[in-house]
Amino acid sequence: NAGVTQTPKFRILKIGQSMTLQCTQDMNHNYMYWYRQDPGMGLKLIYYSVGAGITDKGEVPNGYNVSRSTTEDFPLRLELAAPSQTSVYFCASSSRVSGGLEDTQYFGPGTRLTVL
Amino acid sequence: KNQVEQSPQSLIILEGKNCTLQCNYTVSPFSNLRWYKQDTGRGPVSLTIMTFSENTKSNGRYTATLDADTKQSSLHITASQLSDSASYICVVIPYGNNRLAFGKGNQVVVIP
Repeated sequence: NAGVTQTPKFRILKIGQSMTLQCTQDMNHNYMYWYRQDPGMGLKLIYYSVGAGITDKGEVPNGYNVSRSTTEDFPLRLELAAPSQTSVYFCASSSRVSGGLEDTQYFGPGTRLTVL
Repeated sequence: KNQVEQSPQSLIILEGKNCTLQCNYTVSPFSNLRWYKQDTGRGPVSLTIMTFSENTKSNGRYTATLDADTKQSSLHITASQLSDSASYICVVIPYGNNRLAFGKGNQVVVIP
């Protein structure tokens, strides 16, 4: 299993540009998440999904959109990039949401985004 | 206010030495507490998982402790190796949902 894969690894955007961060998992997990990690800060939840067709906002959703058309894929869309969105973005997936021991979140390698 | 506070923010240790990282949290009630290791440029990887009823959990040279009464956890690294250089993140999972509360991490640098 490849686990959670993310593309691209790095990207530089100009203010106002749009892009989609791709995330795919091959573990048949129902739950998927997008986080951002700013320097020296803890990860913050942007959006999450409990299954295909179902998404919900996390702690910091403004400026982002998501969709979940399949179990495997959970892309994150930035419509009008702003410097405040410069960060490292991590996608994660888990099999359960109950908070139990079985639902470890598996993280992808991250996408480093710079908005200039 | 962050629900998970970690200290020290960073430390440098000599290869072969031990170190202890601290995590204080306010999340309540919580289901379990985890320590993740995040290598530079990589995603976090789970090291230990403890429920509120467990006091200690080991994973090789990593030993995590938990005091649910004082809401404190620690991660002890024994006989550090260069590969231990990473950020160690304390994560608390609230009971009933999967909205993880992340600490900012302890940045550990092991030098020869």
